[in-house]
Amino acid sequence: EIVLTQSPGTLSLSPGERATLSCRASQSVSSSYLAWYQQKPGQAPRLLSYGASSRATGIPDRFSGSGSGTDFTLTISRLEPEDFAVYYCQQYGSSPITFGQGTRLEIK
Amino acid sequence: EVQLVESGGGLVQPGGSLRLSCAASGFTFSSYAMSWVRQAPGKGLERVSAISGSGGTTYYADSVKGRFTISRDNSKNTLYLQMNSLRAEDTAVYYCAKGGVGVVSDYWGQGILVTVTS
Repeated sequence: EIVLTQSPGTLSLSPGERATLSCRASQSVSSSYLAWYQQKPGQAPRLLSYGASSRATGIPDRFSGSGSGTDFTLTISRLEPEDFAVYYCQQYGSSPITFGQGTRLEIK
Repeated sequence: EVQLVESGGGLVQPGGSLRLSCAASGFTFSSYAMSWVRQAPGKGLERVSAISGSGGTTYYADSVKGRFTISRDNSKNTLYLQMNSLRAEDTAVYYCAKGGVGVVSDYWGQGILVTVTS
């Protein structure tokens, strides 16, 4: 099983700042099948990025995914008020599909 | 427009059973693996079960193996999760999601709450 470790656990930033979220895998993620999701309270996860660096439909270009192998990053170039939420990475390249524990992005 | 709508959740006593359903529309249901992912209160996401498009291959997390059964009816575009011998630790919001290994889960249902308590 591939274990995904996200860091930091909580990130405190202000609107307009840049956010960098990390996801490290315990072994190489097959075909860069790494996705990022955003979840707000009371809502289902929303796909932001897949294939490590492809942006999902309708996602603003301030969100960008990058990385390969075991190290992946989600960058939000300039935070908007609606971006404060919990973010999860997920590897879907091998069974069992696993999630990271999440990074909470909070307003400073 | 892709839609996934869960139903069947609620309050149940420990040891009891529930069957969740997920009605799908807006895509060729039989062409896609489907998954159930749960989220305990205040916790992260856990994929508990999945099934291939044909229904011939299934996956269960160790935490639910032997107690939960996933199935699908491609003629009705519906995914199911039969949950038996429920425990307090099964209390969670359960989401159905389109996709599986090699196919990203791009659509999720709104989630349905299952509460196991005496």
